[in-house]
Amino acid sequence: NAGVTQTPKFQVLKTGQSMTLQCAQDMNHEYMSWYRQDPGMGLRLIHYSVGAGITDQGEVPNGYNVSRSTTEDFPLRLLSAAPSQTSVYFCASSYSIRSNEKLFFGSGTQLSVL
Amino acid sequence: AQKITQTQPGMFVQEKEAVTLDCTYDTSDQSYGLFWYKQPSSGEMIFLIYQGSYDEQNATEGRYSLNFQKARKSANLVISASQLGDSAMYFCAMRGDSGGSNYKLTFGKGTLLTVNP
Repeated sequence: NAGVTQTPKFQVLKTGQSMTLQCAQDMNHEYMSWYRQDPGMGLRLIHYSVGAGITDQGEVPNGYNVSRSTTEDFPLRLLSAAPSQTSVYFCASSYSIRSNEKLFFGSGTQLSVL
Repeated sequence: AQKITQTQPGMFVQEKEAVTLDCTYDTSDQSYGLFWYKQPSSGEMIFLIYQGSYDEQNATEGRYSLNFQKARKSANLVISASQLGDSAMYFCAMRGDSGGSNYKLTFGKGTLLTVNP
């Protein structure tokens, strides 16, 4: 019963490098999303998807790209890493976008950009 | 726009006592859901409890209950008989049913609960 699988757990990048955070879910969830968590800020939405081929921006999308070619996968790409992107990243999914649908979270990725 | 306010950055409670974590919200949606998540020091986000805006009874899940006062727009989490393992960050969140508010959970900034032996 895997749920939401997120890799890697830890990553250190140099400024300007690019990388992809992987997220996969095996629950046939329609909705997937990426959040970042910064101290004292709670969790803020980066990008989300309501189905394969459909993505949209959240509150803090700058510097990140996403795509959703399959229902299961929703990778997050950092195009040119900046120190301001040092954060903990969570992938989360839900069956639908109804208000009673809780989010299932991955275990998080701690990213440091030097 | 939706907003969640958690006014207690940190709380302390003695083991076996009850504790209430405050959460107020603001939304223009008629239908919405309120959630509480726990984040222990290991970092994962654990779902605790859900309350729908049209639910007439307060939600309960084991030692967790949600004190929902719709007119006051509050959704406080009550933990009964605190245990050392309850020490964690607690987040209140909400999700609407329309107008883009259904595309995300809006989170508060969290309350760090410490349970003392």
